[in-house]
Amino acid sequence: DAGITQSPRYKITETGRQVTLMCHQTWSHSYMFWYRQDLGHGLRLIYYSAAADITDKGEVPDGYVVSRSKTENFPLTLESATRSQTSVYFCASNDRGNYEQYFGPGTRLTVT
Amino acid sequence: AQKVTQAQTEISVVEKEDVTLDCVYETRDTTYYLFWYKQPPSGELVFLIRRNSFDEQNEISGRYSWNFQKSTSSFNFTITASQVVDSAVYFCALSAKRETAGNKLTFGGGTRVLVKP
Repeated sequence: DAGITQSPRYKITETGRQVTLMCHQTWSHSYMFWYRQDLGHGLRLIYYSAAADITDKGEVPDGYVVSRSKTENFPLTLESATRSQTSVYFCASNDRGNYEQYFGPGTRLTVT
Repeated sequence: AQKVTQAQTEISVVEKEDVTLDCVYETRDTTYYLFWYKQPPSGELVFLIRRNSFDEQNEISGRYSWNFQKSTSSFNFTITASQVVDSAVYFCALSAKRETAGNKLTFGGGTRVLVKP
């Protein structure tokens, strides 16, 4: 399917476990982003990527790792999940020169 | 640093009333973009509008209108004759026009709109 997809859509994990959230886009957009949504904070940028193999930190990067070996994929890894990382995670993309950002459906992560 | 403030956390109206959502932003950039996104109960984020900082022309699109005032750093959004389907969380967002940084968005905290029949 065309567009931007995230998997899994829902995930429950335990404190200390490693979790990887997947993001895939079919448009070949240059830029990809990970945001987390928490009540009262809106969405906050975790990491972003300008192209394959180019990533940089956003506002709240601690505890997260990203990689981008292929243009279409941008996985987000929580190396050792904590309860404070319970959140809804959104992946997004936009093409170079186009400032409209397209969002995935989100992944609801619960860390127990 | 950029900042977006949506002072209203929740607004409740009766159907057909008008709703105005406030958004105030801070940025040191001279050129930037402002956005409104809608998040219905289903959870997805729906793009509504983007405005450039150098274009202060206000716009009406159907029941939606926007009031951008650079002098007061405000970008307010109005729903005219609200409908139950307008019930959602609305986010105001800001990004700088810096190509090398991509379109990193700074979001406000969101305003929940509840339209009662």
